[in-house]
Amino acid sequence: AQRVTQPEKLLSVFKGAPVELKCNYSYSGSPELFWYVQYSRQRLQLLLRHISRESIKGFTADLNKGETSFHLKKPFAQEEDSAMYYCAPDKAGGTSYGKLTFGQGTILTVHP
Amino acid sequence: GAVVSQHPSWVICKSGTSVKIECRSLDFQATTMFWYRQFPKQSLMLMATSNEGSKATYEQGVEKDKFLINHASLTLSTLTVTSAHPEDSSFYICSAASRNTGELFFGEGSRLTVL
Repeated sequence: AQRVTQPEKLLSVFKGAPVELKCNYSYSGSPELFWYVQYSRQRLQLLLRHISRESIKGFTADLNKGETSFHLKKPFAQEEDSAMYYCAPDKAGGTSYGKLTFGQGTILTVHP
Repeated sequence: GAVVSQHPSWVICKSGTSVKIECRSLDFQATTMFWYRQFPKQSLMLMATSNEGSKATYEQGVEKDKFLINHASLTLSTLTVTSAHPEDSSFYICSAASRNTGELFFGEGSRLTVL
């Protein structure tokens, strides 16, 4: 069965500390993987996708096919990073960027 | 940037009535829109894929007669919750894939409360 798991529902760190939000997936084929973020009272928005290999707001995510993981990392967390983060593989295999399966989400809180 | 607008943002209705939620792409065309449902403190669950000019594709376990989806134009998809019951109360979110780039944009969501 195709599945995505974010094991941590809540994650708290202090400002300036490194942060890693875990995501593991179980998918057939080669899904495209995304991280979405939802700040307080805002809509869901794309943070980054693995195919572009870019860094957004200091966040990076490496796709590890051996471990089937796509963990989100940032070396120095900022208070404005506090938000809900979703890992999301594309069910359509990257052809539509739309048929996403969302993980359970991780609420990141960065304390001053 | 591209904007997806949902209307209404929140709606309260009586049990047994039908409620329509609109999803509009304001400055781009979307051949494909998606409807998600989110229960409190839970993740988004894909309900259906809405394709312009054709029937929607529903995910397993989603009642197509209960959740009617219409995608009549490249900028509008509607979700109608028919004969709503309290268990249909939820947060409904749509997303739209740009016809040109395929990039996905999300609406702000619509909160439905059925009394």
